Amino acid sequence: DARVTQTPRDKVTEMGQEVTMRCQPILGHNTVFWYRQTMMQGLELLAYFRNRAPLDDSGMPKDRFSAEMPDATLATLKIQPSEPRDSAVYFCASGLGQVVDTQYFGPGTRLTVL
Amino acid sequence: DQQVKQNSPSLSVQEGRISILNCDYTNSMFDYFLWYKKYPAEGPTFLISISSIKDKNEDGRFTVFLNKSAKHLSLHIVPSQPGDSAVYFCAARRRSNYQLIWGAGTKLIIKP
Repeated sequence: DARVTQTPRDKVTEMGQEVTMRCQPILGHNTVFWYRQTMMQGLELLAYFRNRAPLDDSGMPKDRFSAEMPDATLATLKIQPSEPRDSAVYFCASGLGQVVDTQYFGPGTRLTVL
Repeated sequence: DQQVKQNSPSLSVQEGRISILNCDYTNSMFDYFLWYKKYPAEGPTFLISISSIKDKNEDGRFTVFLNKSAKHLSLHIVPSQPGDSAVYFCAARRRSNYQLIWGAGTKLIIKP
């Protein structure tokens, strides 16, 4: 049963702390997306990778957010320093191909920054 | 500016009746439209899609209609079942870079 996994599922931290979220895409998928969902907005694309190379990270606040794919089985999203406005659910999704028609989502990481 | 809009935050429908979820988009730069369904504490899952060259696509109880002149998309669920209670997201794919632009979601509640 192939699925995208994300850790941690829930994270509560204090303002100023570093937060790292991890994602394991479906084996064989070559495209990975990071999204953020807040109460009032839909899914907001933060960054995405194809074949481990970053293609677009224009949705991320560059001063505090960074996304990487150390290898094909791991994607990370880091926030340093975290702020209360970063509180949201962060989703990772993976897909296959140049044009990804269907994205497969992980369960999300619910981040609360106090 | 929201390029993909779902103007109804929630919708309540009687079990067995038709559920109609709506989505509007602001311009013609999209070539593909998708609906995803999301249960609490889970990620969205793909439901149904339609290419911009078509006006209808059907899959079992789910039908998506596309009205390009009105820039309007709708998802019909017939008949509605309790398991359909979820948040439904509309997404549109950009022609230029294939990125998905998402609506804010509509929470569908199916009443027994």
